[in-house]
Amino acid sequence: NAGVTQTPKFRVLKTGQSMTLLCAQDMNHEYMYWYRQDPGMGLRLIHYSVGEGTTAKGEVPDGYNVSRLKKQNFLLGLESAAPSQTSVYFCASSPTRRGEQYFGPGTRLTVT
Amino acid sequence: DAKTTQPTSMDCAEGRAANLPCNHSTISGNEYVYWYRQIHSQGPQYIIHGLKNNETNEMASLIITEDRKSSTLILPHATLRDTAVYYCIVRAAGGNEKLTFGTGTRLTIIP
Repeated sequence: NAGVTQTPKFRVLKTGQSMTLLCAQDMNHEYMYWYRQDPGMGLRLIHYSVGEGTTAKGEVPDGYNVSRLKKQNFLLGLESAAPSQTSVYFCASSPTRRGEQYFGPGTRLTVT
Repeated sequence: DAKTTQPTSMDCAEGRAANLPCNHSTISGNEYVYWYRQIHSQGPQYIIHGLKNNETNEMASLIITEDRKSSTLILPHATLRDTAVYYCIVRAAGGNEKLTFGTGTRLTIIP
């Protein structure tokens, strides 16, 4: 049982490039989330999903898109990366809306 | 979701109990108290949550005051691996999905 995994662990992009971050969970959780964490700050929710085929905006969704085609995977896309998107990205999953969230190890993204 | 207030940092001697306070004076009746921690550079880790009764699991105990305006997370026998930032989060049972992480308490376990 791997829990929540994230791919890749590190990435450096140039401004304007695109990329997709992959989150996978093997716990059969309905809910999945993407957060970003900037230095010295708490986590901020980007997008989330309440089930396969659904997505919703969090508090900082601009510049990101997401897809949840399969229950176990939640993809975060950056269509045109900007330096302001330099951050650590965490994915999480939860069995219920009120349940605890289980986090992945994070992806460190630098946009130059 | 109700706002929480935590001390910025705390120290605790290894082997002693670490008591981390959290004030949430505006908490509503249907809001739970959650505790997470984040060890350096890792993803946050769920610790425990409760509504109004004290809770205990293999990691910690959560003591919620009778008026629910504050709570204390207790790590009974702190080890060096418990050095982390601890977040107290109040979240409505039927509210939106996000967890609002503040700046938390940086707990340092002293050998």
